[in-house]
Amino acid sequence: EAGVVQSPRYKIIEKKQPVAFWCNPISGHNTLYWYRQNLGQGPELLIRYENEEAVDDSQLPKDRFSAERLKGVDSTLKIQPAELGDSAVYLCASSLDASGTQYFGPGTRLLVL
Amino acid sequence: GESVGLHLPTLSVQEGDNSIINCAYSNSASDYFIWYKQESGKGPQFIIDIRSNMDKRQGQRVTVLLNKTVKHLSLQIAATQPGDSAVYFCAEKTSGSRLTFGEGTQLTVNP
Repeated sequence: EAGVVQSPRYKIIEKKQPVAFWCNPISGHNTLYWYRQNLGQGPELLIRYENEEAVDDSQLPKDRFSAERLKGVDSTLKIQPAELGDSAVYLCASSLDASGTQYFGPGTRLLVL
Repeated sequence: GESVGLHLPTLSVQEGDNSIINCAYSNSASDYFIWYKQESGKGPQFIIDIRSNMDKRQGQRVTVLLNKTVKHLSLQIAATQPGDSAVYFCAEKTSGSRLTFGEGTQLTVNP
């Protein structure tokens, strides 16, 4: 069974440019998460989806970050405009439901210059 | 606020030895705990979990111990192998809340 798929794996952009990350969760997983992981730190939740509904987005910087999960499967996380401090690894995870074990994708490594 | 952590940032062991990675948590309401392994350039990989109604759980070469009295969690790896070298994160969760990760411990296995 395929795990969580993310693309791109790496992205280098200049500040003030937009960037988007894509995630395909494990088949049948209703809950999808986006995390940000700074160097040497543990992942921190940005947003959680139950099917297509964002049920926890309190940690998402809404002035520049947006996310969507159309049709309750794939999800996209966007940053516009990117800032130097956005350089991090953006991880997507999925679980069967909100109480289930979370399985992570490989992440997208973003470098903002 | 909630926090998970208090650990040695690095741990170095010899191949074949047993490893013990420790973690302390502060939220006494936490009822679910997970250990993740993260290799360089990869996402966190689920290792083992334990619920608060248990104090020990065993997997293949790994054991998680939970001491709710002192709010302490540990991961024991038996016969540590070079492939076990990675950063290990403990994470905790209360019902309905988000998963909170600690800062991780870098395990290095020396041949």
